[in-house]
Amino acid sequence: KAGVTQTPRYLIKTRGQQVTLSCSPISGHRSVSWYQQTPGQGLQFLFEYFSETQRNKGNFPGRFSGRQFSNSRSEMNVSTLELGDSALYLCASSTSGETQYFGPGTRLLVL
Amino acid sequence: GENVEQHPSTLSVQEGDSAVIKCTYSDSASNYFPWYKQELGKGPQLIIDIRSNVGEKKDQRIAVTLNKTAKHFSLHITETQPEDSAVYFCAASTGFQKLVFGTGTRLLVSP
Repeated sequence: KAGVTQTPRYLIKTRGQQVTLSCSPISGHRSVSWYQQTPGQGLQFLFEYFSETQRNKGNFPGRFSGRQFSNSRSEMNVSTLELGDSALYLCASSTSGETQYFGPGTRLLVL
Repeated sequence: GENVEQHPSTLSVQEGDSAVIKCTYSDSASNYFPWYKQELGKGPQLIIDIRSNVGEKKDQRIAVTLNKTAKHFSLHITETQPEDSAVYFCAASTGFQKLVFGTGTRLLVSP
């Protein structure tokens, strides 16, 4: 089976812009979770979607949003980008259970 | 909310030695504890996981132990090899795919 894929792999944006990241889960997986990884804060949970519904959300401002499509692919959007949003954004997929498999991530740099 | 502490932050061993990484968690409702290995430029890779109804689990050179009373769990790697060099993360979950991660341990295995 193919693993979790994320596009794009690298992205450079300027403050105030918005960005959309994409994640394709492992075939058959219906749950997609998003995490932010930074040197200062480590790995932090953003939100999780299952069958197009957000089931859980972390402590991030409303500028961070996501959605899931009927084919389980997911997108996350960050509006009004800030310098502190520079990070590696990771997507993980799972069946309805706990075991999560991560993609390679999208590295976002905000200038 | 859940808090996971991980020690040590760096660990240097000689090839063939054993390595032990320890984590403690705060929420007694946590019931799932995965360990991930992250190599440079890649997403975290699941290497082993354990559930709260099991005290120990082993997979070849890797083992994880869980002490629910003390709320700590450990990763043991025996016969370390240079390719084991990476950053290792522990995590805890109470469910709904929300993983709370430790701060990571950089393991360096010298030939």
